[in-house]
Amino acid sequence: DARVTQTPRHKVTEMGQEVTMRCQPILGHNTVFWYRQTMMQGLELLAYFRNRAPLDDSGMPKDRFSAEMPDATLATLKIQPSEPRDSAVYFCASGLVVTSGETQYFGPGTRLLVL
Amino acid sequence: GESVGLHLPTLSVQEGDNSIINCAYSNSASDYFIWYKQESGKGPQFIIDIRSNMDKRQGQRVTVLLNKTVKHLSLQIAATQPGDSAVYFCAETLLSGTYKYIFGTGTRLKVLA
Repeated sequence: DARVTQTPRHKVTEMGQEVTMRCQPILGHNTVFWYRQTMMQGLELLAYFRNRAPLDDSGMPKDRFSAEMPDATLATLKIQPSEPRDSAVYFCASGLVVTSGETQYFGPGTRLLVL
Repeated sequence: GESVGLHLPTLSVQEGDNSIINCAYSNSASDYFIWYKQESGKGPQFIIDIRSNMDKRQGQRVTVLLNKTVKHLSLQIAATQPGDSAVYFCAETLLSGTYKYIFGTGTRLKVLA
């Protein structure tokens, strides 16, 4: 049963520290999305990649967030320096873009708490 | 769980009854729609999708209806079970565009025993 995996599942850190979240998309998928979910804002798109190239990161605070895909099996989202307002659940999703449509499959999320 | 919205709309349904969850989508050009289910502490899970050339699509115990005239989606769950308790999101995108999805704010479904 193929699924998206994310590590770590939980992260508690102090303000100012670097946070790195990792995602392994489903094998064969060519699109990867990073979302942030909070109680107040709901599900927000931060960035997404197709065939490892960044297509849109307009939802991401550029000064502290960065997203990369070093290879087809790994996507990373980094926050440096982290701030308490970054506390949220971060989801990675992957999909296969086909002309007839695309379904995204979500990972279990990384629950981040910045103190 | 980490679902959305302090003021999330909530639908309470008796076990065994049918549930109808509604969603107003934002872009009249959107041509592909998905319903997701998010259980407490988990990521959103795909339930069913529909393309804009269809008005209705059925799955196992679920039916999605699309009304493009009023930009409205609905998810019908037949014989609602306790395991259906979750937050349900609709999402829309334009297949010929960038595949960016716009997610609705979600509806919490509570199944009463």
